[in-house]
Amino acid sequence: SAVISQKPSRDICQRGTSLTIQCQVDSQVTMMFWYRQQPGQSLTLIATANQGSEATYESGFVIDKFPISRPNLTFSTLTVSNMSPEDSSIYLCSAGDSTYEQYFGPGTRLTVT
Amino acid sequence: AQSVTQLGSHVSVSEGALVLLRCNYSSSVPPYLFWYVQYPNQGLQLLLKYTSAATLVKGINGFEAEFKKSETSFHLTKPSAHMSDAAEYFCAVSEGATDKLIFGTGTRLQVFP
Repeated sequence: SAVISQKPSRDICQRGTSLTIQCQVDSQVTMMFWYRQQPGQSLTLIATANQGSEATYESGFVIDKFPISRPNLTFSTLTVSNMSPEDSSIYLCSAGDSTYEQYFGPGTRLTVT
Repeated sequence: AQSVTQLGSHVSVSEGALVLLRCNYSSSVPPYLFWYVQYPNQGLQLLLKYTSAATLVKGINGFEAEFKKSETSFHLTKPSAHMSDAAEYFCAVSEGATDKLIFGTGTRLQVFP
């Protein structure tokens, strides 16, 4: 299994600013994903972070708002840009390997004031 | 398009009672199905997975789930609930080994002494 860490674990930010969330995996993985979990809600996939190419975004999410980088097979970042209170959520990173399962990080709790 | 439906956003059981959390899926191809658990203020942990092998899948912490194609269901059960089982449970479906996960809306399990 893979162990995933995220930084920061939580943050309180002012509207209009940006926050970059880091996701580190302890082993090489084929795919990494970013999810959003709004308060009391389920998880929604934001994008698939592709190593060496642009991320693949789901409907309703755009690169200008959620730029993603994946420079290698163990690391990815998600930036939440020009934040508004509606962006207050838990952001989770997950990593998929070849055994038909994804491992999740502990999440980043973001509050935008 | 794939989807999962979790019947019952809240389930309450007494300690020692049977736990039954319902999940129905929709998929145009043979699905991979998962159950995840989320404890308060934590990320998601994989409980069990179905990947077209045995239809009765055993997971961690005494949980198991049965894949029933005729009913398009993948319900999660545990014979005897513990207080420590109180958490949010998510059913998810995927089309492939490392494809994106589509999550249900979640079921919050409460266990009373």
